[in-house]
Amino acid sequence: DVKVTQSSRYLVKRTGEKVFLECVQDMDHENMFWYRQDPGLGLRLIYFSYDVKMKEKGDIPEGYSVSREKKERFSLILESASTNQTSMYLCASKEGNQPQHFGDGTRLSIL
Amino acid sequence: DAKTTQPNSMESNEEEPVHLPCNHSTISGTDYIHWYRQLPSQGPEYVIHGLTSNVNNRMASLAIAEDRKSSTLILHRATLRDAAVYYCIPVRNDMRFGAGTRLTVKP
Repeated sequence: DVKVTQSSRYLVKRTGEKVFLECVQDMDHENMFWYRQDPGLGLRLIYFSYDVKMKEKGDIPEGYSVSREKKERFSLILESASTNQTSMYLCASKEGNQPQHFGDGTRLSIL
Repeated sequence: DAKTTQPNSMESNEEEPVHLPCNHSTISGTDYIHWYRQLPSQGPEYVIHGLTSNVNNRMASLAIAEDRKSSTLILHRATLRDAAVYYCIPVRNDMRFGAGTRLTVKP
């Protein structure tokens, strides 16, 4: 069974901090994704990656960067956290036309 | 960009069938259609997918129009546990979700 693991379920950080959200998948999937979800706004794509060291911007990349040094790990980085980045962050992975698998999410609060 | 259109919300009574529609008129010929659902306080979970033919699994059925410009997710007997937001999405590298349909199931 595919497992997508996000490093933290809940995280509290301060404004201006550099924040790392980690995601690991165990099925050798090529594609990995980061989304954020806010009430009433659905799932919004931040960044995605279709191969190691490859990344593409989604719809809301501003204030974020990503890193994919190894196939199984896709990290989301908040360069200088701000209060408007308080949100639920979801990581996902997939291979080709097969189903996308999601992690449990990280609820991030920026104070 | 394969944009999808779904009703914002739908209601169903428990034990009755539910048909959730999705328009994807700009879908390309090789894009699979995936359906996911998101229960409260959980990440999305896969429901079903197809390319051209109708598909069945233990959770639902998927009916795909002959021209592939629309599809319908069918829950044969809705239960209270099926209350969720349902998303249809053409499968691409970017996997951009729309707003989905919020299904309410009444006892």
